[in-house]
Amino acid sequence: DIQMTQSPSSLSASVGDRVTITCRASRGISSFLNWYQQKPGKAPNLLIYAAANLQNGVPSRFSGSGSGTDFTLTISSLQPEDFATYYCQQSYNTPRTFGQGTKLEIK
Amino acid sequence: QVQLQESGPGLLRPSETLSLSCTVSGGSISSHYWSWIRQPPGKGLEWIGYIYYTGSISYNPSLKSRVTISVDTSKNQFSLKLSSLTAADTAVYYCGREGNIAERPGQAGYYYYALDVWGQGTTVTVSS
Repeated sequence: DIQMTQSPSSLSASVGDRVTITCRASRGISSFLNWYQQKPGKAPNLLIYAAANLQNGVPSRFSGSGSGTDFTLTISSLQPEDFATYYCQQSYNTPRTFGQGTKLEIK
Repeated sequence: QVQLQESGPGLLRPSETLSLSCTVSGGSISSHYWSWIRQPPGKGLEWIGYIYYTGSISYNPSLKSRVTISVDTSKNQFSLKLSSLTAADTAVYYCGREGNIAERPGQAGYYYYALDVWGQGTTVTVSS
């Protein structure tokens, strides 16, 4: 299985901050990397697919980059509704695997 | 747009078998991969497996001996069975659509995949 490791596991930030979350794959996955946002009590929501492509309806303050084993999710200016948990996921092969999550909290 | 809805019992005893269904509305099940994902309380996401409408299946090896995923195209539904339950199977179970979300540049007919539609989730508790 491909292991996905996110850092940090938790992060405190303020509205308006620029935030970056990283995801590392245990082996190369090209650009087969997706990012999801999950709010408490809700299903995850797709933000970014194929490492750098914004899903329809997702605000442009979200962006993704990377290829191979190292990936980043950046939020350019945090909004109150962005405080949530973020997961990366590889779709390079099966079993699909997720990172352990990064909980973004209000400072 | 496509919507998914899970259904099934919320409380089961150890050693019993979990049976969940996911109904697809607003679109046909006869395309894409149809997935099951679970999330134990306070923990992260675990992929259980998926099925293509033709019946092609992939399971997580960690659960493979206990899992069966099936599809009923006539009902626009797919289902999950998980046997020999223990307390460790207590989780929110989500169904999802893994869509061929974008064609790979320079590789016509080959796609990137992502879970672009999710059900709301159903809580399953295993307790005696």
